[in-house]
Amino acid sequence: GNSVTQMEGPVTLSEEAFLTINCTYTATGYPSLFWYVQYPGEGLQLLLKATKADDKGSNKGFEATYRKETTSFHLEKGSVQVSDSAVYFCALHAYSGAGSYQLTFGKGTKLSVIP
Amino acid sequence: GAVVSQHPSRVICKSGTSVKIECRSLDFQATTMFWYRQFPKQSLMLMATSNEGSKATYEQGVEKDKFLINHASLTLSTLTVTSAHPEDSSFYICSGSRGRISSYEQYFGPGTRLTVT
Repeated sequence: GNSVTQMEGPVTLSEEAFLTINCTYTATGYPSLFWYVQYPGEGLQLLLKATKADDKGSNKGFEATYRKETTSFHLEKGSVQVSDSAVYFCALHAYSGAGSYQLTFGKGTKLSVIP
Repeated sequence: GAVVSQHPSRVICKSGTSVKIECRSLDFQATTMFWYRQFPKQSLMLMATSNEGSKATYEQGVEKDKFLINHASLTLSTLTVTSAHPEDSSFYICSGSRGRISSYEQYFGPGTRLTVT
């Protein structure tokens, strides 16, 4: 079956530090890959996505590159801010059997950025 | 755009009672709505998928008679937890999609924390 593994948190960084959150996946076929962010008290929001190998998704200074050879989609940001404190979910969208597709999520990584 | 609301945000109910959670798409028509359950420090687990006007499709292991899903309109879906038990305590999240089941563009609600005492 499809699965997503992301680094466990919590991750605590100082402002302006470099961020990497690792994400690897297993999937049937050719998945699309996503990073979602959940700020406190809010729903999940799509942060960025990539739909084919070597695509780079980017948004708000965050980047992730679809690496088919390593089945990875690591999230990076060069300089984090306090406002980036949230829970980050890696996810894939792929065929799940019985004629259906679905989103499969990692467990989430909580990021806390301190001034 | 693409805002989804859930009500209530938190609910506490007694064991054996039923509780209804509403999920509304505020500024778009959600052809498909999804219900997820999230345990502490776990990923979101898809419970069921529903298309407006059709019966929901439940994932393996999810009791359809316990978790009743209604998607009567393009902007409203409800999840009713019947005869709730403490093990049903969890964080329930809905999402809506403009497309059919295969669409990955989902917009998520803020979630509902259910506590069964």
